[in-house]
Amino acid sequence: QKEVEQDPGPLSVPEGAIVSLNCTYSNSAFQYFMWYRQYSRKGPELLMYTYSSGNKEDGRFTAQVDKSSKYISLFIRDSQPSDSATYLCAMSGKSGGSYIPTFGRGTSLIVHP
Amino acid sequence: GAGVSQSPSNKVTEKGKDVELRCDPISGHTALYWYRQRLGQGLEFLIYFQGNSAPDKSGLPSDRFSAERTGESVSTLTIQRTQQEDSAVYLCASSFPRAVYGYTFGSGTRLTVV
Repeated sequence: QKEVEQDPGPLSVPEGAIVSLNCTYSNSAFQYFMWYRQYSRKGPELLMYTYSSGNKEDGRFTAQVDKSSKYISLFIRDSQPSDSATYLCAMSGKSGGSYIPTFGRGTSLIVHP
Repeated sequence: GAGVSQSPSNKVTEKGKDVELRCDPISGHTALYWYRQRLGQGLEFLIYFQGNSAPDKSGLPSDRFSAERTGESVSTLTIQRTQQEDSAVYLCASSFPRAVYGYTFGSGTRLTVV
């Protein structure tokens, strides 16, 4: 079993839909949680980050962490065609003095007009 | 520079040849990471540099893979005797020391071994 599990999709939704993207993990040492967005042939870019359990909102995006269930989510409201990309979850905890993030395999999201 | 720069952006090589991939991090970012992304897969950690400390090489898949970094500047990832399974996008990221967020990625080098 991988440390971070993420459904690769693709997830196809109509414009304006609410999108829910999720990851589960097994390493209880993870404390920092991130979501990256990756457009085709580009490097991942940091979208949101949270520390420990709770919610964080930024515009149309909400990140949610439930450490008791080892489950994190990213919600996208009023989805737009420009949101079409691969979304990667990442998480880290202190290991040997560093915080090297572990990534999920990414979920491909397609928002169609 | 303004971002993390990787070169070449694309590389096609014959099986058995050696390749060198280059990463130029953001100025002031002392931490540098290499990841591999195979088609349809997540990012696989390869190696981590932090300043002048010994690198964390725990992710290198075999002794054909090596990386160097001089001080806090450019890094090169070398793959010797390339195999077809080495075909992937190789991504480099940099950050401030001991950052827990805020890793900035380059656009990657797409390596194809034929």
